[in-house]
Amino acid sequence: DGGITQSPKYLFRKEGQNVTLSCEQNLNHDAMYWYRQDPGQGLRLIYYSQIVNDFQKGDIAEGYSVSREKKESFPLTVTSAQKNPTAFYLCASSKDRNQPQHFGDGTRLSIL
Amino acid sequence: QQPVQSPQAVILREGEDAVINCSSSKALYSVHWYRQKHGEAPVFLMILLKGGEQKGHEKISASFNEKKQQSSLYLTASQLSYSGTYFCGTVPGRRVGDMRFGAGTRLTVKP
Repeated sequence: DGGITQSPKYLFRKEGQNVTLSCEQNLNHDAMYWYRQDPGQGLRLIYYSQIVNDFQKGDIAEGYSVSREKKESFPLTVTSAQKNPTAFYLCASSKDRNQPQHFGDGTRLSIL
Repeated sequence: QQPVQSPQAVILREGEDAVINCSSSKALYSVHWYRQKHGEAPVFLMILLKGGEQKGHEKISASFNEKKQQSSLYLTASQLSYSGTYFCGTVPGRRVGDMRFGAGTRLTVKP
């Protein structure tokens, strides 16, 4: 079955440390997205990518970086510049803007 | 801009109906609806496209008023499994990254 796999499920970050969240999809989707969700909040867009080797900032890109070297993969790095990284991070993919977004199970990031 | 959802929360008894509204300040190409259970990923419910086409696969209906830039999700004869937080996502532009989600409506269905 096709789907999106995020790993790890839980991640802890130390002060000054960069951490990378993995997102892999086998749905053959061109578009991929990263969202941040805080308790009781909606989803806020961090970055998105429409095609390989191209990505765009979303509304809250500061302190985050991404790469899109392969169609299947869209990893997110939470850098030490992100001072409040504790949140639930969701990766999604879609064929285009008028097709459903399929979500991974998420990564819960906390500060040690 | 983030769309506005209302109500923020609603509590129902099994079998009752509910309506969740989503409004945008921008002209829309489409509206998406998702449901998220606590601690889980959002799950797609429905897409409503400009021009009236509707795509969905559950026993839940929705409307899209393009002139008013509003969409409503109708949950009829609610079941316990309907509990969760419902998000609308509005697409005002042509880029895949143009969709923005509302803050969500928490629906609780009680026996």
